[in-house]
Amino acid sequence: DIQMTQSPSSLSASVGDRVTITCRASQGISNYLAWYQQKPGKVPKLLIYAASTLQSGVPSRFSGSGSGTDFTLTISSLQPEDVATYYCQKYNSAPYSFGQGTKLEIK
Amino acid sequence: EVQLVESGGGLVKPGGSLRLSCAASGFTFRSYSMNWVRQAPGKGLEWVSSISSSGGYIYYADSVKGRFTISRDNAENSLYLQVNSLRAEDTAVYYCARGREGATQAAFDYWGQGTLVTVSS
Repeated sequence: DIQMTQSPSSLSASVGDRVTITCRASQGISNYLAWYQQKPGKVPKLLIYAASTLQSGVPSRFSGSGSGTDFTLTISSLQPEDVATYYCQKYNSAPYSFGQGTKLEIK
Repeated sequence: EVQLVESGGGLVKPGGSLRLSCAASGFTFRSYSMNWVRQAPGKGLEWVSSISSSGGYIYYADSVKGRFTISRDNAENSLYLQVNSLRAEDTAVYYCARGREGATQAAFDYWGQGTLVTVSS
């Protein structure tokens, strides 16, 4: 099975910073990659699908890129409400596994 | 408004069974794939199972294969997960999530609030 590895596992940044989270697949998955945000005590929320397509209603400071095995989620200007754990997920074929998550905090 | 409401969780002894349900509303249920995702306390998301819009394609995580069964009733707008032979490591919040397309190769765009399954003697 294809493994999804996120880095870093945790991250602390200041309001206004540009933040980048990476996700690597152990084999190519084309652009079948989604990013989710889970705020503390809340339900996961889809941010990006097809590696770079912003889900409706998601702020434009979020963006995604990549194809094949290497993907990034970028927050262009970190806001306090972005404190959350972020997960990538592959969905090219089952198992539709998630990365281990990246916990983002405000410095 | 899309709504997904899970039910059926609870406390069960090891080896026991439960049937989780997810009631869907606000969209044409029969047109979308559906999924179960779980999250153990303090842990990350774990994909459990997916079913295509027609029910013709079904997939399971290796950790639950042979013990869990996903199904759907498109007439009743409902998704189910029969969970058998439960183990302590199955303790988690179980989320129902909609796939963006009828095929299972789709991101999960709407999630329910989850139902907690606790496996303990």
